[in-house]
Amino acid sequence: DAGVTQSPTHLIKTRGQHVTLRCSPISGHKSVSWYQQVLGQGPQFIFQYYEKEERGRGNFPDRFSARQFPNYSSELNVNALLLGDSALYLCASSFKYLDRVDQPQHFGDGTRLSIL
Amino acid sequence: AQKVTQAQTEISVVEKEDVTLDCVYETRDTTYYLFWYKQPPSGELVFLIRRNSFDEQNEISGRYSWNFQKSTSSFNFTITASQVVDSAVYFCALSDPNNAGNMLTFGGGTRLMVKP
Repeated sequence: DAGVTQSPTHLIKTRGQHVTLRCSPISGHKSVSWYQQVLGQGPQFIFQYYEKEERGRGNFPDRFSARQFPNYSSELNVNALLLGDSALYLCASSFKYLDRVDQPQHFGDGTRLSIL
Repeated sequence: AQKVTQAQTEISVVEKEDVTLDCVYETRDTTYYLFWYKQPPSGELVFLIRRNSFDEQNEISGRYSWNFQKSTSSFNFTITASQVVDSAVYFCALSDPNNAGNMLTFGGGTRLMVKP
């Protein structure tokens, strides 16, 4: 079975541009979460979506937005890119949320975003 | 607010040595879940173990073992007879069901280098 897949694997952008990152969850998983991992730090939670609705948001500016599609895949959008947005963006999927918070989230390989 | 602290930023051992990675957490809730993830150089986060706050029984899985002590808010991870393939960054994480979905709060990670 395929794991969590993310595209693209690498991306280079310049300041002020916008970017869209994509994630396909494991088959059968309905919850998708996004994390930002700056080099040398632990991942930080950005968003969680379940059944196409936003269920959680971390402490990130409004330049960050996301959505989930009927097939449970997800997009993360970042506008007006800043140098500090350079990071590894990780997508994680799990079957549900809240009532199954003990279920491990399965992570993709990430998209490495570099801002010049 | 939740917080996870991994005080050891980097550990270097020689193959076959035992090594313990420390994790201390803070939460105001009585029900929570603790996780360990491994991040090899390729970038993906690999789930290792999940523990709920009501189960303080230590766990052993092959060369891996985990020591959960609620009294000291610690969830330490020991690798016995380390191998070069264990070289990676290890993250401890906390999930609180009262928080957004199953958002994970990660520690800063411990980079383990196992030398032959």
